[in-house]
Amino acid sequence: AQKVTQAQTEISVVEKEDVTLDCVYETRDTTYYLFWYKQPPSGELVFLIRRNSFDEQNEISGRYSWNFQKSTSSFNFTITASQVVDSAVYFCALQETSGSRLTFGEGTQLTVNP
Amino acid sequence: DAGITQSPRHKVTETGTPVTLRCHQTENHRYMYWYRQDPGHGLRLIHYSYGVKDTDKGEVSDGYSVSRSKTEDFLLTLESATSSQTSVYFCAISEEVFNTEAFFGQGTRLTVV
Repeated sequence: AQKVTQAQTEISVVEKEDVTLDCVYETRDTTYYLFWYKQPPSGELVFLIRRNSFDEQNEISGRYSWNFQKSTSSFNFTITASQVVDSAVYFCALQETSGSRLTFGEGTQLTVNP
Repeated sequence: DAGITQSPRHKVTETGTPVTLRCHQTENHRYMYWYRQDPGHGLRLIHYSYGVKDTDKGEVSDGYSVSRSKTEDFLLTLESATSSQTSVYFCAISEEVFNTEAFFGQGTRLTVV
């Protein structure tokens, strides 16, 4: 069965610090998809990135970067030079091709203090 | 922003009453989903739809039913609301089932008293 673990329930940093959010997943499928979503205090879910299991290239988008390592079943998310606006709950999610649903982790509450 | 509208945005209802939440999309996406969000559980799939009149159960479907009579509308009904169904409900849409992101509505906060 698919499972996503975000072991960090809450993280608090000071502005301009770098922060990494961990995501570890379990799946028996060889083809699967990984996602990160952001949920700011306003409550909506904002899509950040999608990665398929055959693409282990790391990705950078501005201050955001993602490190996908199949060997450790991890898909970690790093925010460089964090800002107060980065404060949100971040969800990692997994989708297997043997099913169709997204399985979400429990989320990591990130607080960036000025 | 993807055109997804959930209604109502907030609702308080009494135990035992039926409740219907509506999700309306303007993107003409084939796939629609209902999730609930609870502390400590992330988001869990209730039901989903892969076309008009085509629906299937998710991992927490007990006590819920859905209907999709038009591409743009996906209704979630709590047949007899219970306090355990107090939650935030999210509708999502996607163009394809795999390798594509789902776009989420703004959520409906439901309180069952």
